Amino acid sequence: DQQVKQNSPSLSVQEGRISILNCDYTNSMFDYFLWYKKYPAEGPTFLISISSIKDKNEDGRFTVFLNKSAKHLSLHIVPSQPGDSAVYFCAAAGNTGGFKTIFGAGTRLFVKA
Amino acid sequence: NAGVTQTPKFRVLKTGQSMTLLCAQDMNHEYMYWYRQDPGMGLRLIHYSVGEGTTAKGEVPDGYNVSRLKKQNFLLGLESAAPSQTSVYFCASSLGDFTTDTQYFGPGTRLTVL
Repeated sequence: DQQVKQNSPSLSVQEGRISILNCDYTNSMFDYFLWYKKYPAEGPTFLISISSIKDKNEDGRFTVFLNKSAKHLSLHIVPSQPGDSAVYFCAAAGNTGGFKTIFGAGTRLFVKA
Repeated sequence: NAGVTQTPKFRVLKTGQSMTLLCAQDMNHEYMYWYRQDPGMGLRLIHYSVGEGTTAKGEVPDGYNVSRLKKQNFLLGLESAAPSQTSVYFCASSLGDFTTDTQYFGPGTRLTVL
């Protein structure tokens, strides 16, 4: 039972355009949502997060939107750059029933120059 | 400042062999974590620690043991390796828990069990 789903395995975007990565979750008890970026042969690096009490968080070119009623979050990258090409993982975290961070399977983003 | 380092980077084991993966962090972080990543899946939490001398089970703890004897080190042990434990293992650390502090990940250890 996948509690966090990233339904698009890959996404291709032209440089300068917007990249939108999506993530759905099933458990309404999650308190916190995070996005990580991963390059090959490296560990994931934290990108941006959002608390369940907010619906938007922005950090430079990266914005995360949270729609709790739809149990959906998205990461917007504007403008996209070739260096953004990586695998992006969304994760949902909570303390109910024990410390828990559930990751999605990832979406590979290709930004074409 | 090396951040989070993992030893070894690669390892091949035979079924039934044992090994220990070492994670070290030099950021004086309280929290440390071990994850595994399998193809087509997200990272799954194996065990974690909220401070020196403490450990707790994550989502997939079976077949693994951990120890946190020193604050800077978090060891993951496989007592009797099985092919199902073939995976990439990531260690991470954070100053506090996920609600306040970022997790910093190591580069990973690729383990193959034959």
